[in-house]
Amino acid sequence: GENVEQHPSTLSVQEGDSAVIKCTYSDSASNYFPWYKQELGKRPQLIIDIRSNVGEKKDQRIAVTLNKTAKHFSLHITETQPEDSAVYFCAASPNTDKLIFGTGTRLQVFP
Amino acid sequence: DTGVSQNPRHKITKRGQNVTFRCDPISEHNRLYWYRQTLGQGPEFLTYFQNEAQLEKSRLLSDRFSAERPKGSFSTLEIQRTEQGDSAMYLCASSLLEGVGKQYFGPGTRLTVT
Repeated sequence: GENVEQHPSTLSVQEGDSAVIKCTYSDSASNYFPWYKQELGKRPQLIIDIRSNVGEKKDQRIAVTLNKTAKHFSLHITETQPEDSAVYFCAASPNTDKLIFGTGTRLQVFP
Repeated sequence: DTGVSQNPRHKITKRGQNVTFRCDPISEHNRLYWYRQTLGQGPEFLTYFQNEAQLEKSRLLSDRFSAERPKGSFSTLEIQRTEQGDSAMYLCASSLLEGVGKQYFGPGTRLTVT
């Protein structure tokens, strides 16, 4: 079955700097890769997603890149703000049904 | 609020008791998923429905767990003979069948088994 690895587990950046979170997946059949942001005590919130027929997608300060050959995808947050502080989860779906999640990255943005 | 809702938000029960959780998906969503999340981990898939049909169950879902979606709208997740290891956040998500499979999560039910 699918396995998703996520790095780093924690990431601290200064406000205004960029943050990059990386994930790798094992199942070449995976074709949908969402990213979720989860604040303490809150529900996971879908922030961006990408499908396997696209290499990059951008939405304001966040972007996701996908390398199908290497089976890895990354989340890029530019001009980070304190409100970006949260746990970020990547996920992969072999068939747009169940999601297999990574272990999460705790991002802290210091003012 | 037209998002996914879950009830109760918190449940404390004694080991051996049965518990039932409810999930109300976004109204036009025909797929409904259950996940379990423990502290410091990502959500783990448990099961999912397309309308009223349960299409997949994880090996994590022991025979003490059962889920239903009788009319293709809300769903219930029941845990029988709870164990301390069942303590977790139980998350529900829903999505449209058509399109891109975006899953939207509810606030979860936090279960504590004492």
